[in-house]
Amino acid sequence: EPEVTQTPSHQVTQMGQEVILRCVPISNHLYFYWYRQILGQKVEFLVSFYNNEISEKSEIFDDQFSVERPDGSNFTLKIRSTKLEDSAMYFCASRERAGGPIGYSNQPQHFGDGTRLSIL
Amino acid sequence: SQQGEEDPQALSIQEGENATMNCSYKTSINNLQWYRQNSGRGLVHLILIRSNEREKHSGRLRVTLDTSKKSSSLLITASRAADTASYFCATDAKNNNDMRFGAGTRLTVKP
Repeated sequence: EPEVTQTPSHQVTQMGQEVILRCVPISNHLYFYWYRQILGQKVEFLVSFYNNEISEKSEIFDDQFSVERPDGSNFTLKIRSTKLEDSAMYFCASRERAGGPIGYSNQPQHFGDGTRLSIL
Repeated sequence: SQQGEEDPQALSIQEGENATMNCSYKTSINNLQWYRQNSGRGLVHLILIRSNEREKHSGRLRVTLDTSKKSSSLLITASRAADTASYFCATDAKNNNDMRFGAGTRLTVKP
């Protein structure tokens, strides 16, 4: 069964450094997402991406964050200048388009296993 | 906020018993989904219920949705030790391409 893959599984970075987290969504999926989960806390929505642009973003997704789909298969999350509080698990997800108005889908999201980001 | 909120926060039962987890949310939704997360791993989709559905089954899972009360429940019947995990509800709001998760219920099934 196709799956969402994320690399690396663990990233350790010095505070203030840039980090890029990579995801390969399932190939026929059209919606892409990033979430984060601080240790012991809930999963928080960061951003959704459809048709090569951001469709929704949360209050967490500030100017330090950006997303890109550089080559039609990868979907990346960049944090420009990392802070200690960026330490978390970052999950990528994707899902199919399933009819209905543009912008939503009644298909489930498929998640990768996450990248653990540790900021020192 | 459209976030789902689960209760209880933690549930501990014996193998063979049923486990019921509840979720409440605040806004109009297209669908509600339940996910499972083993410690340190990604989320695994369990079941999706659309806003015009009231009940759905999948194996030992039964989900109900009451849109008038903005609530859902997940029932796991005949629980097994391998069901030990955190369970999250997530809501897809109308006309938004995002999904908001609740804080989750940590289920422990003792053998």
